[in-house]
Amino acid sequence: QQQVKQSPQSLIVQKGGIPIINCAYENTAFDYFPWYQQFPGKGPALLIAIRPDVSEKKEGRFTISFNKSAKQFSLHIMDSQPGDSATYFCAASTGSSNTGKLIFGQGTTLQVKP
Amino acid sequence: DTGVSQDPRHKITKRGQNVTFRCDPISEHNRLYWYRQTLGQGPEFLTYFQNEAQLEKSRLLSDRFSAERPKGSFSTLEIQRTEQGDSAMYLCASSPLADTQYFGPGTRLTVL
Repeated sequence: QQQVKQSPQSLIVQKGGIPIINCAYENTAFDYFPWYQQFPGKGPALLIAIRPDVSEKKEGRFTISFNKSAKQFSLHIMDSQPGDSATYFCAASTGSSNTGKLIFGQGTTLQVKP
Repeated sequence: DTGVSQDPRHKITKRGQNVTFRCDPISEHNRLYWYRQTLGQGPEFLTYFQNEAQLEKSRLLSDRFSAERPKGSFSTLEIQRTEQGDSAMYLCASSPLADTQYFGPGTRLTVL
């Protein structure tokens, strides 16, 4: 049961470009939307997260845009660097009011060329 | 290092053998999660503990899988009679009362 759909599957940008990764969800009960970064052979690391009461959140070079009516959210990476080359996962959960289990998208493999 | 730790990092076993993985969460995190990740996919939820109580299990968790968290500290995940389809990365995450989950490095299981 696919509850979080992520696109594109892969993305190649030049250094300094702004890759954008999109996610769409179905369950309107979701109220917490994190993004994770994963390098090969490592566990996912939390990048940034947002709740539906705001439409945008910035942390350093990472920005989440959130559209509650469309049930979509996206990650923008400003001034991308080769070190940002990794797999990115969006996720959603019903938060601390329930178990808080995360439902992940299928991931986007990002390559930033020097 | 005060992050989530998992042991072993890699495990190779033969089909039919039993394996056990350990997860040590961040100290004082009362929530602990197990996920499974296959190649090219996002992690999938397996089970959730709040302190020592196992409060949710995914339908992915067949009868061959069992998890424990005695005394609400570390957790173990055991797979009995392993099958080749069990080959995956098994991830543990811990969380305080809020939503933020911190993942460990994972245990990569290969079933021959």
